[in-house]
Amino acid sequence: QKEVEQNSGPLSVPEGAIASLNCTYSDRVSQSFFWYRQYSGKSPELIMSIYSNGDKEDGRFTAQLNKASQYVSLLIRDSQPSDSATYLCAVNEDYGQNFVFGPGTRLSVLP
Amino acid sequence: DADVTQTPRNRITKTGKRIMLECSQTKGHDRMYWYRQDPGLGLRLIYYSFDVKDINKGEISDGYSVSRQAQAKFSLSLESAIPNQTALYFCATSDRSTGDGEQYFGPGTRLTVT
Repeated sequence: QKEVEQNSGPLSVPEGAIASLNCTYSDRVSQSFFWYRQYSGKSPELIMSIYSNGDKEDGRFTAQLNKASQYVSLLIRDSQPSDSATYLCAVNEDYGQNFVFGPGTRLSVLP
Repeated sequence: DADVTQTPRNRITKTGKRIMLECSQTKGHDRMYWYRQDPGLGLRLIYYSFDVKDINKGEISDGYSVSRQAQAKFSLSLESAIPNQTALYFCATSDRSTGDGEQYFGPGTRLTVT
C-alpha cells in the first residue's frame, strides 16, 4: 500500500516569509505529484502539479521534486494570511489507478 | 452555478438507517470519485468510476456502495449507517485527458450518524 506522509503541523510563519511544506512517499514507481489547498470547511482545490525532477514555479508557489529521495515540497514565497489553509500532497502512478492523498499540513500565516 | 454539486450538504441520521449521498457534475468529465475525510487521516478513497460501466473499489469500500446512473451522476449509499461513518464526504471528478491527479471537488456533505 502506497504511503504519503506529511507533517501535520501546524506550521506557523510570519507574513512575508517563505513557507516550506514537505511530503515523502513510499512507492518508487510514482510518477506524478500534486499539491492541493483546502481552506477550513471547504473542499480541496488543485494548486500545483509536477512530473519531473527539479523545480516548477507558478507565481508565489514553487513545487520541488526529487524522485531519488522520494520527496516533494511546496514553497510559498511572500506568505500572506490568506495562504492559511491545509495543504494536501497527492501522488499518482501514470499507468495505474493508485492515487493517494497525504494527511495534509496545516499552515498558519501570522499577520 | 457550481460545476460539482453534492446533496445533501448536511445530514444527521441514526444507526442502522440507509442513506444516499448524491453527486452531479456539469464539467463533462468521465471520471468520478467518492472520498471521506476524517481529522488527521486526510482524504481516503471509497469508490471511483471511470465511466458508467466501470466502477472500482477504493481503499475503504466496506459498508458503502455506489451507483453511476449517468456520466454526470454518481451516488454513494450507506446501507446500514454506523457511528464510525460520521465524516465529511467529498465527490470529485477528473477528465481522462489529465488523469486522476487533476480532480475537481464538490462542496462536501457532512454526515453525522448517531
